[in-house]
Amino acid sequence: DIVMTQSPLSLPVTPGEPASISCRSSQSLLHSDGYSYLDWYLQKPGQSPQLLIHLASRRASGVPDRFSGSGSGTDFTLKISRVEAEDVGIYYCMQALQAPFTFGPGTKVDIK
Amino acid sequence: EVQLVESGGGLVQPGGSLRLSCTVSGFTLRSYWMHWVRQAPGKGLVWVSRIDNDGSYTTYADSVKGRFTISRDNAKNTLYLQMDSLRAEDTAVYYCARDADGMGGTADYWGHGTLVTVSS
Repeated sequence: DIVMTQSPLSLPVTPGEPASISCRSSQSLLHSDGYSYLDWYLQKPGQSPQLLIHLASRRASGVPDRFSGSGSGTDFTLKISRVEAEDVGIYYCMQALQAPFTFGPGTKVDIK
Repeated sequence: EVQLVESGGGLVQPGGSLRLSCTVSGFTLRSYWMHWVRQAPGKGLVWVSRIDNDGSYTTYADSVKGRFTISRDNAKNTLYLQMDSLRAEDTAVYYCARDADGMGGTADYWGHGTLVTVSS
């Protein structure tokens, strides 16, 4: 199975400031179609997860453009250009390349 | 509006069975692969199972293989998860989710979840 790791696991942020989360996979997520099958999800407190980014860098429908994803192969980054109070929650990366699909441990983002 | 509503959770004894349902609306179920994902209390997300459009192809996590069965009734717009031989470690909120494109494991819409508690 592909193992996913994230850093940091906890991220206190200041509203209006940028934030960044790293994700690494134990093997390449690059598919023969040229895309890296890496998703980012946000689980806000008391809610179900919501898709933010798929294929490493494609924002899901309705996701604000302050969220961006980058990376390829085994190393990926989620960036929030200017954090807003509503962005608090746990961010998970997930490899969507092959079953069993596996999630990272999550990064808890909260306001300083 | 896309909606997924899980039901069927509850308290069950170890070794018991439970069937979860996920009723969808706002999209045509037969056009999408579907997933079940679970989350133990205070823990992270764990993928459980996936099923293709017509139910002919299913995949499971090793931890549930042979005990859980995913199925669907497209005519009823409903996805199911039959859970047998339940263990304490199966205690979790179970989410159903829609597969985004049938290519990988991306889940673009999620239900609110249903809690399964396995305890004597």
